[in-house]
Amino acid sequence: QITLKESGPTLVEPTQTLTLTCAFSGFSLDSSGVAVGWIRQTPGKALEWLAVIYWNDDKVYNPSLKTRLTITKDTSKNQVVLAMTNVNPVDTATYYCGNFPPWRNWFDSWGQGTLVTVSS
Amino acid sequence: DIQMTQSPSSVSASVGDRVTITCRASQDIGRWLAWHQQKPGEAPRLLISAASTLQRGVPSRFSGSGSGTDFTLTISSLQPEDFATYFCQQATSYPLTFGGGTKVE
Repeated sequence: QITLKESGPTLVEPTQTLTLTCAFSGFSLDSSGVAVGWIRQTPGKALEWLAVIYWNDDKVYNPSLKTRLTITKDTSKNQVVLAMTNVNPVDTATYYCGNFPPWRNWFDSWGQGTLVTVSS
Repeated sequence: DIQMTQSPSSVSASVGDRVTITCRASQDIGRWLAWHQQKPGEAPRLLISAASTLQRGVPSRFSGSGSGTDFTLTISSLQPEDFATYFCQQATSYPLTFGGGTKVE
């Protein structure tokens, strides 16, 4: 059974860096073709894809946020970390991580999500 | 970027109704489309991949069809647990993009 769980701060001040961790089980990020990605959902409910990291450490970012995002993995801990610099109130959202099945680009299983509020 | 347009944005339906949701891509995406269901307060859940492949455990009253730019999600007989918001997602190229969602209420 595949599970993912996001963790990180619930409140971040503007201009700070937001760091989120996705802890997963039930699959290996060492397996060929596998990936983990991040999405966020704004209070208005729109879904926005943020970044993905592949088993071979390839990374793809949403061009609209590329300069602010860094995604990394620690396969020994079964974790993926997303860092977002210089946050502002429009970054207030629920952040989800999810896994991609091998060689596919859809979210297969999703974490429960973590709500992050950006406010001073 | 590939734009995904869902319609309607909301639909009022009753238990037992047939519900059809459409998703249109701004360019040809083949069959690289997924449908996700999200219930209030919950994370999304993958229902259908590759336009028409039902995920394990998804009831057979759900079906997906289409290719190219036009896709459909159909619920043949709406059940109480199906009241939710449904999103389509194109999986052919980055950036991955989602439709705006259809709320079934």
